[in-house]
Amino acid sequence: QSVVTQPPSASGTPGQRVTISCSGSSSNVGSNYVYWYQQLAATAPKLLIYKTDQRPSGVPDRFSGSKSGTSASLAITGLRSEDEAHYYCAAWDDSLSGVVFGGGTKLTVL
Amino acid sequence: QVQLVQSGSELKKPGASVKVSCKASGYTFTSHAMNWLRQAPGQGLEWVGWINTHTGNPMYAQGFKGRFVFSVDSSVSTAYLQISSLKPEDTAIYYCAKDPDWGFFGWLDPWGQGTLVTVSS
Repeated sequence: QSVVTQPPSASGTPGQRVTISCSGSSSNVGSNYVYWYQQLAATAPKLLIYKTDQRPSGVPDRFSGSKSGTSASLAITGLRSEDEAHYYCAAWDDSLSGVVFGGGTKLTVL
Repeated sequence: QVQLVQSGSELKKPGASVKVSCKASGYTFTSHAMNWLRQAPGQGLEWVGWINTHTGNPMYAQGFKGRFVFSVDSSVSTAYLQISSLKPEDTAIYYCAKDPDWGFFGWLDPWGQGTLVTVSS
């Protein structure tokens, strides 16, 4: 069982806006930066969002991150077929002294 | 450009050991820590731990202490993950991932392509 919870699945149609939640606790999401990763089928994960709301160069501005309390969110606007992937959130956990990942969310573009 | 290239797939018997390599290029190897992660078949990501490539000091996640050992050879800009006394449940893809900045655990960029380790009799 992950200490950080994500919905197992999400879906949307092309052009829609979807959000993926990442629910943790005061020892992880609530007190540390959150990172988001995109994993396309049969490929290595790729950094999507760092330090909760920062986008690396090359990541489209359709992707954005935010946090409120012990929950973080990844928003994708203008959904495209190539966004179909697994998305993972991650954060440092002060109690476990380690990086914890959410269980991942499979995004389907209908 | 920054690149991490991992060694190829491994098939091992239970009880054996395996050593996975991760060769870095495009940056100063000892200026950034290296992380190791695991992804079991059809499962999510787990952080195995991190090694300070400058000092060689490792940090292991709970559940990965004992059989998992990190090491580096800075002369060839390569990090290693060795797993001993392999069990079938160690079957997974193992990734290395660079730490862009000291102290920001969880910030992983880029990742290696992954190494599949299969443990089966």
